[in-house]
Amino acid sequence: GDSVTQMEGPVTLSEEAFLTINCTYTATGYPSLFWYVQYPGEGLQLLLKATKADDKGSNKGFEATYRKETTSFHLEKGSVQVSDSAVYFCALSDRRAGSYQLTFGKGTKLSVIP
Amino acid sequence: NAGVTQTPKFRILKIGQSMTLQCTQDMNHNYMYWYRQDPGMGLKLIYYSVGAGITDKGEVPNGYNVSRSTTEDFPLRLELAAPSQTSVYFCASSYGGSQPQHFGDGTRLSIL
Repeated sequence: GDSVTQMEGPVTLSEEAFLTINCTYTATGYPSLFWYVQYPGEGLQLLLKATKADDKGSNKGFEATYRKETTSFHLEKGSVQVSDSAVYFCALSDRRAGSYQLTFGKGTKLSVIP
Repeated sequence: NAGVTQTPKFRILKIGQSMTLQCTQDMNHNYMYWYRQDPGMGLKLIYYSVGAGITDKGEVPNGYNVSRSTTEDFPLRLELAAPSQTSVYFCASSYGGSQPQHFGDGTRLSIL
């Protein structure tokens, strides 16, 4: 079945450091890929998405490229801020049993210190 | 724009009690979902609905029931609450099955 594997956290970075959170996936079809972010006490918010191979999703300085050859969708940001502290989830959407369902990774907690 | 609204935000139940978690969305989305989030485990799909009157099981449906009588509302019912159902529950909706999902703020449920 479908699965998403993302790097274990927690990750602690200093402000303005470079961020990479690795995400790889397995899927039977041609999934869409997403990164969601969850701030403390809140629900998940869509951060960025990519729907086909070589697409690059970007938002708020974050980027991720859909790499079919390596089945990866790594999240990057060139300079993190304290306000980026949150839990980040990689997810894929694939058609199963007649309907699309999201499969999530376990989440990576990011803490950015001043 | 309210988006997806979940009530209550917190609840403590005793073993064997029942309750309904409410979810409503004002975006006219066809698809709605219920997830549970356990620490370090990501989100697991409990039930989903592709439209009013249509529901189907997700990955972890045991101990739960849902109904979808209107496009806006998708309540989740727990019958005979068990400690294993202690979790944070999220409702989500989307315009189509492959479209990004919009999440509520969650219901934190403890069963003692």
